[in-house]
Amino acid sequence: DAKTTQPNSMESNEEEPVHLPCNHSTISGTDYIHWYRQLPSQGPEYVIHGLTSNVNNRMASLAIAEDRKSSTLILHRATLRDAAVYYCILRDASGTYKYIFGTGTRLKVLA
Amino acid sequence: DTEVTQTPKHLVMGMTNKKSLKCEQHMGHRAMYWYKQKAKKPPELMFVYSYEKLSINESVPSRFSPECPNSSLLNLHLHALQPEDSALYLCASSQDFSRGVMNTEAFFGQGTRLTVV
Repeated sequence: DAKTTQPNSMESNEEEPVHLPCNHSTISGTDYIHWYRQLPSQGPEYVIHGLTSNVNNRMASLAIAEDRKSSTLILHRATLRDAAVYYCILRDASGTYKYIFGTGTRLKVLA
Repeated sequence: DTEVTQTPKHLVMGMTNKKSLKCEQHMGHRAMYWYKQKAKKPPELMFVYSYEKLSINESVPSRFSPECPNSSLLNLHLHALQPEDSALYLCASSQDFSRGVMNTEAFFGQGTRLTVV
């Protein structure tokens, strides 16, 4: 299974943009890049995913490097409710059901 | 309805007890998952069911026994657990996909916090 590497923790000021990096140098051509977050005392929730192109949705943007060996989750204006652990996951599109979580980044948002 | 419902929310059991965790979804998803999460660690995949059949078992000890009685329900039967099995147990579901056709997100429940005494 391809692995992901993320910083253990990051801090951001409220209402500022946050860029959460993820390295996945062993990514294969069929791996989708998924991001999930886990708020305190809750199960993980889906944030965004992509394959090659940058993606936007109402929660965040995903910027994928041209060689696909890294990606960045962008929260455009962090709020206190965005404090969570953010996981970058490679999802194999070739036929398995494995969502394998990496260690994740704990985001702290400062008021 | 985009919910995955897990019951109970909390469970305390002795090492000789038998108990079951339940998970239910009504999104028509045909892939369902069990994860185990220890404090301050990421979720670890335990089992995956696809179309009610066990697809993946990540070398989980036999004291954990999964069951998928129908497409909406997933159980995890627990027997003779050890204190180190205390953790948050998460259920998830996602759409099934055919090879080469996938682009699905997983929906997670809130989990069952299990304490083995």
